Amino acid sequence: GDSVTQMEGPVTLSEEAFLTINCTYTATGYPSLFWYVQYPGEGLQLLLKATKADDKGSNKGFEATYRKETTSFHLEKGSVQVSDSAVYFCALKGESGGSNYKLTFGKGTLLTVNP
Amino acid sequence: DAGVIQSPRHEVTEMGQEVTLRCKPISGHDYLFWYRQTMMRGLELLIYFNNNVPIDDSGMPEDRFSAKMPNASFSTLKIQPSEPRDSAVYFCASSLDASMGTQYFGPGTRLLVL
Repeated sequence: GDSVTQMEGPVTLSEEAFLTINCTYTATGYPSLFWYVQYPGEGLQLLLKATKADDKGSNKGFEATYRKETTSFHLEKGSVQVSDSAVYFCALKGESGGSNYKLTFGKGTLLTVNP
Repeated sequence: DAGVIQSPRHEVTEMGQEVTLRCKPISGHDYLFWYRQTMMRGLELLIYFNNNVPIDDSGMPEDRFSAKMPNASFSTLKIQPSEPRDSAVYFCASSLDASMGTQYFGPGTRLLVL
């Protein structure tokens, strides 16, 4: 079945450091890929997504590129802020068709940014 | 827009008691999802509904768990009887077009079963 593997962390960085959180997936066909973020005490919210190979999703300075050849969707940000401290989840949705509307999530990566 | 509303935010109960978690999705969203989050297992989909009809309940752990959606603006997740291993954060999420993968999560209910 579908699965998502992401670096477990925790990741601790200083403000303005470069961030990479690795995510790889296993799925048949052409899934859609997502990064969700969970701030302390809140539910998850969509950060960015990509629906086909070589697409780049971006939002709030974060970027991720859908690499089918390496089955990866790594999250990057050039300069993190304290307010980026949160848990980041990589997720996939299987190919459209039928009734496949489920998201499969990775375990999440805790990011702490220190001033 | 108020977002997805869940109640209660926190619940502490004793083993064997019935627990009912409630969710109000975003108005107009046709899909509703229930998830459970634990440190050990991460985020697991329990069940989801489309137009108030359960579509996939393969994630429901056992018969002690049941979910209903009597109308478009309300859903419940019930655990009866509750056990300590049910302690987790339970999230409800809704979606306008689930085929796009964008889901809107509520703040969650933190359940502790003693």
